[in-house]
Amino acid sequence: DAMVIQNPRYQVTQFGKPVTLSCSQTLNHNVMYWYQQKSSQAPKLLFHYYDKDFNNEADTPDNFQSRRPNTSFCFLDIRSPGLGDAAMYLCATNLWDRGQETQYFGPGTRLLVL
Amino acid sequence: DAKTTQPPSMDCAEGRAANLPCNHSTISGNEYVYWYRQIHSQGPQYIIHGLKNNETNEMASLIITEDRKSSTLILPHATLRDTAVYYCIVRLNRDDKIIFGKGTRLHILP
Repeated sequence: DAMVIQNPRYQVTQFGKPVTLSCSQTLNHNVMYWYQQKSSQAPKLLFHYYDKDFNNEADTPDNFQSRRPNTSFCFLDIRSPGLGDAAMYLCATNLWDRGQETQYFGPGTRLLVL
Repeated sequence: DAKTTQPPSMDCAEGRAANLPCNHSTISGNEYVYWYRQIHSQGPQYIIHGLKNNETNEMASLIITEDRKSSTLILPHATLRDTAVYYCIVRLNRDDKIIFGKGTRLHILP
């Protein structure tokens, strides 16, 4: 059973039109992460939540915002998408495994900006 | 910045062992070595992690040198489904962020 669910899997938006990507997790874990992955590049951490505490990476553009209304759900809002924001967006949470917590990733949402 | 260095790509024949190296010369004593892989168009998948001792699970083995400055991920019998980008990551503890480096693109050759 899927533990991290991302919807939709593919999202098309227009240049400058706000878009929201969603993520939910069934693990009831207090940490959730958002990554951006551009073509042929490694995933890049945008921000993460520890409970309701929001932690923004220093180089995450202001155009990217996030909301976490409850433990299970987390949203990524892109206020004015540019062509350079086209990417795969990955959500992750933590999973306890053999004495160490590891990150468990969802399948990602691929965003296309027209 | 990622604290690891990996070759950009490697080839391995199907059925043979794939040995993926990783350098982490600045690792500190309480940092773990993690390996993830990412198959095309999927999210990264956890493989294995270790601190000092060698580790083995159903997917792979992790060999960490005695000085902990490098490690090797071993896929014992590579299949075509193991074609992916493999990321070696150094991480402090469960609250530490995962920072991905460039990874190694592993091609399994039929």
